[in-house]
Amino acid sequence: GESVGLHLPTLSVQEGDNSIINCAYSNSASDYFIWYKQESGKGPQFIIDIRSNMDKRQGQRVTVLLNKTVKHLSLQIAATQPGDSAVYFCAEFPSSNTGKLIFGQGTTLQVKP
Amino acid sequence: GAGVSQSPSNKVTEKGKDVELRCDPISGHTALYWYRQRLGQGLEFLIYFQGNSAPDKSGLPSDRFSAERTGESVSTLTIQRTQQEDSAVYLCASSTSKGMTQYFGPGTRLTVL
Repeated sequence: GESVGLHLPTLSVQEGDNSIINCAYSNSASDYFIWYKQESGKGPQFIIDIRSNMDKRQGQRVTVLLNKTVKHLSLQIAATQPGDSAVYFCAEFPSSNTGKLIFGQGTTLQVKP
Repeated sequence: GAGVSQSPSNKVTEKGKDVELRCDPISGHTALYWYRQRLGQGLEFLIYFQGNSAPDKSGLPSDRFSAERTGESVSTLTIQRTQQEDSAVYLCASSTSKGMTQYFGPGTRLTVL
């Protein structure tokens, strides 16, 4: 069935290093993807999105890359800061006719000072 | 502006009791979504409302779960005869319309004893 999965459950990085969080999706018809950040006790917070007609999109310190050939999505965080410590989820819209998002299990990012 | 709000933030109930969870979406957002998040897991879609269209209830796990929305404002998620496996964080999100970025509330943590 449809699924969005993350390759690693936990990623530990040194403050100031770059972080890369990966995500695989299974529905080739998905045309819109979103990365969310969730801090403990809070709801998911929108970080960045990308549509299937793009390969790359940049925000402030974050970049999302989309490889439709292998159905892979990644989130790159530059100069990782302690405030970036959180769980990161990728999510996909499996169809433009639906409103529901399919979420992966999440990757925990731990930033060491 | 104000984001999505949810109440209560925490709810402890006894097995077999009914509970009602409330969501106030962002003003002007026509689409509203409910998700469930079990501890350490991703988000599971439950139901979404889009304007005056019939809601998509495909994610509701059993007939004990139901939701209502008054126009394009407040929504309530009701769980009847709660079971211990219903313990989770229930998250509400809203968007300008279906298929657009969803913005989440802080969630209601439900504990069924």
